Parts: sequence; structure tokens; C-alpha cells
Amino acid sequence: NAGVTQTPKFRILKIGQSMTLQCTQDMNHNYMYWYRQDPGMGLKLIYYSVGAGITDKGEVPNGYNVSRSTTEDFPLRLELAAPSQTSVYFCASTLSGGLRNEQFFGPGTRLTVL
Amino acid sequence: GENVEQHPSTLSVQEGDSAVIKCTYSDSASNYFPWYKQELGKRPQLIIDIRSNVGEKKDQRIAVTLNKTAKHFSLHITETQPEDSAVYFCAASKFGGSQGNLIFGKGTKLSVKP
Repeated sequence: NAGVTQTPKFRILKIGQSMTLQCTQDMNHNYMYWYRQDPGMGLKLIYYSVGAGITDKGEVPNGYNVSRSTTEDFPLRLELAAPSQTSVYFCASTLSGGLRNEQFFGPGTRLTVL
Repeated sequence: GENVEQHPSTLSVQEGDSAVIKCTYSDSASNYFPWYKQELGKRPQLIIDIRSNVGEKKDQRIAVTLNKTAKHFSLHITETQPEDSAVYFCAASKFGGSQGNLIFGKGTKLSVKP
């Protein structure tokens, strides 16, 4: 299993541009998450999904959108990028109903908005 | 909602010494408390977790203790080694509810000096 994969690894955007961060997991996990991690800070939840077709806002959803058309994929869309969105973005997944609630993280996407 | 406070923000120890990181949580309904380790430039990875029906859990050199009454839990690392140097995050959630959303502390940067 590849686990959780993310693309791209790095990206530089200009203010006002848009982009989609891709996330795919091959563990048949039903729950998926998007976090952002600012320098020296913890992880803040942007959006999450409990299954295909179902998404919900987390702690910091403004400026982002998500979709979940399949179990495997959970892309994060940035519209009108702003410098405040400069961060490292992590996608994660977990299998609900298990004995533990371990979230498996992708390698991250480092985004800079100039 | 849940709030997780983590202390200290930085911790420096000599190789072989013990390290203790403490977290407090606000929601008494939280019942699952994982600890994640994040090495520089890498993704967070689960190192140990504890559920609220257990007061202590140990895995080789790491242990976690939980005090439900006081709503705090701690990570203990004994016989620290240079490879233990990383940022450690605690988290809390309601296992089986709230879609398993983890609320993270802001992290502790542990430096182990050889």
C-alpha cells in the first residue's frame, strides 16, 4: 500500500491564483481530513469527510473548498490565493470503527503565496 | 468545543535523561488521546495513544499517563536518544463521535543533546 499520497510536494502561487491540492489513499479509509500547519504551530483542521459525497467544515475553512466523489480521493481547492494561506498542508485518513483512531498522514504540500 | 493546551513549547535534555510533555484538555467527553511525533520536514506519525478507560500505557521507552479527573495527560520518554529529537503533538477526541476529529496541541520541540 502506498498509504496517503499528496501532490504536489511544493508550489508557489501568486496572489489571486487558484490551485487544487490532490490527496489519495489506498487503505479504503472512510474518513479523510485536510490540515494546515503554520511554522512553529500545531495542526488546524480545514475540512473533513466521513465518506464519499459527505464533507464538512473544520476549524479554518475560509478560502478553501473540498469534494469527495470517491472513497480514495479528497482534493482541496484554493480559490483566490492569499499570503495568509502560505503553509504546509497535510491530508490524513482513518478507518472509523477501528480499535484506535489513528490518522495516517500524507507527506504534505508546502505552499507559498507571494 | 474541545481545547488542548500543551507544555512546554520547547524542551532540551541530555541524552539518557527523561523527558515529560504535558497536555490538558477541556471537554470531559473526550476519550481518546494520541501522541504524534513529527521529525523535521516529515509527516506526523502516531507513537502512542491511550483511551479513557486506561490510566497508563507503556511501549518500550515511551509511556502515556491519563488523569481524567484533572483532564490532563502526559508523555514520558525515558533514556532519551538523539533520534528522539522532534516535535511532539498531543491530541484529544471523542472516539466514535464527532467523526473522530482530533484537536491538536501546539506541539513541543524536543532536543536531545548527545
